[in-house]
Amino acid sequence: EPEVTQTPSHQVTQMGQEVILRCVPISNHLYFYWYRQILGQKVEFLVSFYNNEISEKSEIFDDQFSVERPDGSNFTLKIRSTKLEDSAMYFCASRIAGGSTDTQYFGPGTRLTVL
Amino acid sequence: AQTVTQSQPEMSVQEAETVTLSCTYDTSESNYYLFWYKQPPSRQMILVIRQEAYKQQNATENRFSVNFQKAAKSFSLKISDSQLGDTAMYFCALRGGSQGNLIFGKGTKLSVKP
Repeated sequence: EPEVTQTPSHQVTQMGQEVILRCVPISNHLYFYWYRQILGQKVEFLVSFYNNEISEKSEIFDDQFSVERPDGSNFTLKIRSTKLEDSAMYFCASRIAGGSTDTQYFGPGTRLTVL
Repeated sequence: AQTVTQSQPEMSVQEAETVTLSCTYDTSESNYYLFWYKQPPSRQMILVIRQEAYKQQNATENRFSVNFQKAAKSFSLKISDSQLGDTAMYFCALRGGSQGNLIFGKGTKLSVKP
């Protein structure tokens, strides 16, 4: 069964460094998402991406964040200058559009630790 | 604004028994979807069950079923014949609008005891 994959599974970085989190969505999906979950808290929406552009973003997704689909398979989240409060689990999700299978499927997550 | 509320931070159930997790939501959308996701200690988000708002029939997936009360904006999850592997955080989520981002509740931590 197709699945969303994410790399790395765990990333440790120093405050102020740039990180890129990578995701490979399910191949025939059209909508892509990033969510984050600070330890012990609920999952929060960051950004959605469709047709090679951001379609919606939350107030969390400020100028420090960017997303890109550099080729036909990868979907990346970049944090330009990490802060301690960026430490969280980051989930990528993808969805086909419409129909009975219109469900978001999540990747296993990347645990980001900012020191 | 869309909101999802899970009022039970923690619950426990004996193996083989039935447990119901509560969720209420609010949305102004006429067409929306509701989901339950399971997050075991590995922290992966796993879809348990989904419900389209326009469908009156409650969704079922094996031991998992929902009680969808549209007028009351309630969407509870019933787990029958609970198993040790059901131990996890359970998140209720709402998707409304065209872009489809999910709004999650705070989660219910379910422990299944032998």
